[in-house]
Amino acid sequence: AQKITQTQPGMFVQEKEAVTLDCTYDTSDPSYGLFWYKQPSSGEMIFLIYQGSYDQQNATEGRYSLNFQKARKSANLVISASQLGDSAMYFCAMREGPSGSARQLTFGSGTQLTVLP
Amino acid sequence: EPEVTQTPSHQVTQMGQEVILRCVPISNHLYFYWYRQILGQKVEFLVSFYNNEISEKSEIFDDQFSVERPDGSNFTLKIRSTKLEDSAMYFCASSDRQGRRTEAFFGQGTRLTVV
Repeated sequence: AQKITQTQPGMFVQEKEAVTLDCTYDTSDPSYGLFWYKQPSSGEMIFLIYQGSYDQQNATEGRYSLNFQKARKSANLVISASQLGDSAMYFCAMREGPSGSARQLTFGSGTQLTVLP
Repeated sequence: EPEVTQTPSHQVTQMGQEVILRCVPISNHLYFYWYRQILGQKVEFLVSFYNNEISEKSEIFDDQFSVERPDGSNFTLKIRSTKLEDSAMYFCASSDRQGRRTEAFFGQGTRLTVV
């Protein structure tokens, strides 16, 4: 079974509108972390936001927020007020095990977001 | 802001040749990683490194791969005898133990093309 599933290969959003990128995960480890990265066409991986499995509140970082629904094992990324510069590939990733360890990240297949003017 | 630096940004090599990809992690970080991304595919974990030894490695990381931290700053990935299927973007990443997040900070990647 896939550990990280991103079901939307491509998404379009109008500039200034909000968009939700879906991510579901599968783990039996009670301690894990969920990450979102942005990969623009230049190729670098840019960290956006983190959610720990024991965090009580949904993470927010500026225009990015993570809609964490633990029972559903989903960690959707919400981008508010989309900008043209948000056009990129977005990857959801998971680290199984507690923070402070050298555990690998497992990535989803990504969602290509295009922001329309 | 501190960042992970990778060199070169693009490397072209002939099949069968050895290549060394170089990375300078963020200076106070303790954990180091290599990932690869074949064009159009997902990012795949290769290896993690802590306290001068490999912590974890994936099944991709076979005997043709090796990693080293030859001095206090560099972290290298060596591919001994490159194959066409090694063509990919290779990302170095580092993270620290402080705080709860320990997100991995990625370098800008080295695009390896094997011809």
